[in-house]
Amino acid sequence: SAVISQKPSRDICQRGTSLTIQCQVDSQVTMMFWYRQQPGQSLTLIATANQGSEATYESGFVIDKFPISRPNLTFSTLTVSNMSPEDSSIYLCSVLNRTYEQYFGPGTRLTVT
Amino acid sequence: TQLLEQSPQFLSIQEGENLTVYCNSSSVFSSLQWYRQEPGEGPVLLVTVVTGGEVKKLKRLTFQFGDARKDSSLHITAAQPGDTGLYLCAGSYGQNFVFGPGTRLSVLP
Repeated sequence: SAVISQKPSRDICQRGTSLTIQCQVDSQVTMMFWYRQQPGQSLTLIATANQGSEATYESGFVIDKFPISRPNLTFSTLTVSNMSPEDSSIYLCSVLNRTYEQYFGPGTRLTVT
Repeated sequence: TQLLEQSPQFLSIQEGENLTVYCNSSSVFSSLQWYRQEPGEGPVLLVTVVTGGEVKKLKRLTFQFGDARKDSSLHITAAQPGDTGLYLCAGSYGQNFVFGPGTRLSVLP
């Protein structure tokens, strides 16, 4: 399994600002994902972070709102832009290993006031 | 769109009781994973089942994948307060995953 860390672990932000979340993996991985988990809910996939190319976004999520970078095989960032209270969620990064098992980071708990 | 349903949605039991949670779909998956998520943490992978009819045991947890690879169950024997958490199933088809809504389990001492 991979060891995944996220920064920050939590933050409280004001409406209209942006927050960048970092995800670091202890080994090189091909597939990295970003999920959102709203309070009391399951996980919703935001996008697949592709190394060296633009992220692949799921329906309902757009690059202007959630820009993603993937500069190498161990690191990715997700930015939540122009935040509103509806963006208050836990944001999780995950990786896929060679046997298609998915491992998650500890999450970033975001509160927008 | 492939969907996963989980039941029950909530479950509160006493320590020492047994329980089963279910994960169902009308779609066939190449594999299915179970996760447990505790408050303030990310989901932790418990098991992956791949073969129809497969049964895997992890201490007091028993996982079964349906013969048709559309459904799965998780059985916990003699539940303990440390089993408390959100149990998520996720069906995969290649590199794509779909998550169920989760079963929130509370084991009371």
